[in-house]
Order: sequence, then C-alpha cells, then structure tokens
Amino acid sequence: QVQLVESGGGLVKPGESLRLSCVASGFIFSDYDMSWVRQAPGKGLEWVSHTNSGGITIYDADSVKGRFTISRDNAKNSLYLQLNSLRTEDTALYYCARGRYSSVSWGQGTLVTVSS
Amino acid sequence: QSALTQPASVSGSPGQSITISCTGTSSDVGGYKYVSWYQQHPGKAPKLMIYDVSNRPSGVSSRFSGSKSGNTASLTISGLQAEDEADYYCSSYTSSSTRVFGTGTKVTVL
Repeated sequence: QVQLVESGGGLVKPGESLRLSCVASGFIFSDYDMSWVRQAPGKGLEWVSHTNSGGITIYDADSVKGRFTISRDNAKNSLYLQLNSLRTEDTALYYCARGRYSSVSWGQGTLVTVSS
Repeated sequence: QSALTQPASVSGSPGQSITISCTGTSSDVGGYKYVSWYQQHPGKAPKLMIYDVSNRPSGVSSRFSGSKSGNTASLTISGLQAEDEADYYCSSYTSSSTRVFGTGTKVTVL
C-alpha cells in the first residue's frame, strides 16, 4: 500500500535551517507530482510547495518563497524540503502529500518547532 | 494567496444533512475544476473526501458529495453520523499554479 514517511523535524532557533525528508513506497514515485503542506498547532492547513514528477517544475507559497526549497531524488523515492532562515511562524507539522491538484495520500507529518 | 473562506463551524443531528461552503474567487475556485475536500480527525493526517469538485475516491462513503457554483464550492454530508465529526478543509488550484486551502470548518454531530 502507499506509504509516505516524513523525518527531519526538530527544535531550532530563529534563523537556523533544517532539511525534511519524505520516503515513499507502494507506488511508482517518479510518476507523481508531490507537495508539502503544513499545519501550525491548532490551525488550518497551508500549502507550502510543489514539484512535478521530474523535479523540474516547482511552485512555492509566497510565505516561504526564497527561504524553502523543495527537491526530489526519484532514484531514492524521496522528497525533500530545505528550510532556511526559519521564523517562529514556521512552527508546524509538515506533511508530504502525493498529487498535483489534490492529495489522496499523506504522511503522518514531522514537527518543526522554531523557538529561541 | 488568501485562504478560501469556510464557516468556522457547522452542526447537525444524526441522520440530517449538512452543507459546508467554500468561497474563493475567479482565480481559484471559480476558474478551475480542481476543488478538493479533506476530512481531518484530531491528531490524524487529512483524508481526501472529494476531488475535482464532485468525484469521490475509492472507499469514501456516497454520503459525501461535492458541487460548485461560480466562486463557491460546497460539500454536503447526508445521513450525518457520529464518525463524521471532524474538521473539513476545501482546497483549490489557483491561477498562480499554486494550491490554496480553506480556513476549515469544524463539524459537530449533536
């Protein structure tokens, strides 16, 4: 069955960096667009970034543009999100999700906490 | 990239039908067929309930249905059950080739 497993979250200080990973299994990873979606504690869902199946076309939310970078390694069935210049408002559970226009498959998320 | 507007809460008794609205603009909801709906129980990942305005993924109950008129999409839950109590989010593709989620609606089964 389809499985997405995120990792890499943790507690960091404002201005620091983190790299999130998402390992996919149960489907042909290289056939699918992938996205990152986040959810701040007690808040709603926020779309963060998207990459097409080949990792060539990338779109980012304005709130993270220039600070976060999405990438993928199809040989390793892995999706990444590099988070730089982190701010307290980036504190959230970060989900990877399969799909371009909608997401039928989601991971369980990895928690990023930005605090001094 | 303003969030789509949803009512904060909707409630109904078991067996009743409820409808959740999702209002955007012609640059998102009104301009594309790519509206989707997600159910989220506390501490769980979102679950896709409706995609492309009105299509149900395999395994989703037929009690869930979606529609769209102009810049507003709607999710209807018929025959409300206790297990339907959750948060619901709409999402739409946008003219910027991004996605935007709604503000979320808490559904309470009375």
